[in-house]
Amino acid sequence: DAKTTQPNSMESNEEEPVHLPCNHSTISGTDYIHWYRQLPSQGPEYVIHGLTSNVNNRMASLAIAEDRKSSTLILHRATLRDAAVYYCILRATDSWGKLQFGAGTQVVVTP
Amino acid sequence: ETGVTQSPTHLIKTRGQQVTLRCSSQSGHNTVSWYQQALGQGPQFIFQYYREEENGRGNFPPRFSGLQFPNYSSELNVNALELDDSALYLCASSHPDRPYGYTFGSGTRLTVV
Repeated sequence: DAKTTQPNSMESNEEEPVHLPCNHSTISGTDYIHWYRQLPSQGPEYVIHGLTSNVNNRMASLAIAEDRKSSTLILHRATLRDAAVYYCILRATDSWGKLQFGAGTQVVVTP
Repeated sequence: ETGVTQSPTHLIKTRGQQVTLRCSSQSGHNTVSWYQQALGQGPQFIFQYYREEENGRGNFPPRFSGLQFPNYSSELNVNALELDDSALYLCASSHPDRPYGYTFGSGTRLTVV
């Protein structure tokens, strides 16, 4: 399975945007890029996913590089509630079931 | 929607014992997966059930087994518990109309002593 690389941690001030990078240089043509986040004492929560085009939803935006070897999750205005571990995951369309989590990025939001 | 409910929330067992963890998914969620999360690490995929049949398994020994029931509930059974089985066990389910987005429960914290 293709792997992803994320920074261990990132800090942001409240109300400012957060850009979370993810490298996936061995991504295959059928791999979707998924993001989940895990708040303290909770299970992971689906954030967003995409294949080639940039995607937006009420939680975040996903910017995907043209060569698809990297992507960036964008939280437009960080709140204290966004403090969590964010996981970037590649998922082949024929294996919807398996989510291969790495260590993720711990996001710290300061007031 | 009531989300995914797991029980119990915490459990302490002795090495060598057997344990059953339970998960109740939302109506219509015919796919359920179980994950093990050690402290400070990301969740690791144990196995998945679709329409009551196992259809995917991670790198876990056979003493980890499961069941899925027609009422969208499921179980994770672990036999011959080892100290390294101490972890947070997460259940996740998805609806066929939204296969990309799994809904996770808050997990069961298992401690093996």
